[in-house]
Amino acid sequence: GDSVTQMEGPVTLSEEAFLTINCTYTATGYPSLFWYVQYPGEGLQLLLKATKADDKGSNKGFEATYRKETTSFHLEKGSVQVSDSAVYFCALSGGTGGFKTIFGAGTRLFVKA
Amino acid sequence: KAGVTQTPRYLIKTRGQQVTLSCSPISGHRSVSWYQQTPGQGLQFLFEYFSETQRNKGNFPGRFSGRQFSNSRSEMNVSTLELGDSALYLCASRETGTGYTEAFFGQGTRLTVV
Repeated sequence: GDSVTQMEGPVTLSEEAFLTINCTYTATGYPSLFWYVQYPGEGLQLLLKATKADDKGSNKGFEATYRKETTSFHLEKGSVQVSDSAVYFCALSGGTGGFKTIFGAGTRLFVKA
Repeated sequence: KAGVTQTPRYLIKTRGQQVTLSCSPISGHRSVSWYQQTPGQGLQFLFEYFSETQRNKGNFPGRFSGRQFSNSRSEMNVSTLELGDSALYLCASRETGTGYTEAFFGQGTRLTVV
């Protein structure tokens, strides 16, 4: 079945550092790909999405490109802030899993001032 | 538009009891999904409803059940609670009936079983 693998955390960075969180997926068909963020005590918020190969999703300085050839959707940000500290989830839906969203394990990010 | 609303936010129950959680989707959204989040297992899919029909179900025992009403509101029920059911339960709604669009999540219901 479809699956998502993302790098384990926690990831600790200093403010203004460059961020990459790796995400790869396995899917039959052409799923949509997402990054969600979860702040402490909260639900999940959509950070960005891409619905087809070579699409680039972007939001709040975060970017990710849907790479079908490498089955990847890595999250990047050029300069992180303390307020970016959260758990980030890579996810897919619309593949063979159909209507359900399949999540990676999540990567916790700590940003130090 | 109001977001996805889950009630209650927190619950404490005793082993063996049952519990009902509620989810009101974003207005106009007809698809509602439920997920269980635990530190050990991460986010696991429970079930998905569209127009009052369950279309997809995850690998959970029959103690977990749900339903959707004609106004798209959904409830999830867990009977004979076990300690391992302690988790954050998240509800998500989608505007369309396909899986290609994003899901919007509520803040969750934190269930503690003692």
